[in-house]
Amino acid sequence: AQSVAQPEDQVKVAEGNPLTVKCTYSVSGNPYLFWYVQYPNRGLQFLLKYITGDNLVKGSYGFEAEFNKSQTSFHLKKPSALVSDSALYFCAVRDWASSSNTGKLIFGQGTTLQVKP
Amino acid sequence: ETGVTQSPTHLIKTRGQQVTLRCSSQSGHNTVSWYQQALGQGPQFIFQYYREEENGRGNFPPRFSGLQFPNYSSELNVNALELDDSALYLCASSTRDNYYGYTFGSGTRLTVV
Repeated sequence: AQSVAQPEDQVKVAEGNPLTVKCTYSVSGNPYLFWYVQYPNRGLQFLLKYITGDNLVKGSYGFEAEFNKSQTSFHLKKPSALVSDSALYFCAVRDWASSSNTGKLIFGQGTTLQVKP
Repeated sequence: ETGVTQSPTHLIKTRGQQVTLRCSSQSGHNTVSWYQQALGQGPQFIFQYYREEENGRGNFPPRFSGLQFPNYSSELNVNALELDDSALYLCASSTRDNYYGYTFGSGTRLTVV
């Protein structure tokens, strides 16, 4: 079964420090992986995706993610955190198992990032 | 280029009532998906529409239904509302192959009392 795990409910970092939000996945076939961010009472904002190509993917707002096929991980990173990065982050994978080629996304439970001034 | 817009932003309904949520997809996108996000959870796939037909469904009962219109906009209908239907409902549009990812709307917060 396709699945996504975000092992940390919450990540706390100090402003200016690097941050990592972890994600592991389980899929059949090649993974399409996504990171989204959600601010309070808002929808999901796209940060970045991995489809194919370089394992290091650069996205919006200075975020990047590293795809590691052997470890089935897709961790989100940022070299220097900002207070404004504080939000809820979701990792997602496209579900290839659907026979109808629906392309639905399977989301992790989310990780709350708190950046302290 | 317009993004995905959803309406209304908030609404409160009574258990047993029916509700219709609306979504306008991003320009150039022909596929619309609906997700339910309960408090403290990740979004869960409800169903997807392509060419005005349902094209895949998650683990939701038949009282959750939808429509897609020729302009690719969509509606989510929920009948016989239950308290557990209280959630943020998200609409996402994409191209058919999803290669460029999904664009989400800001959601409709439904509260069932």
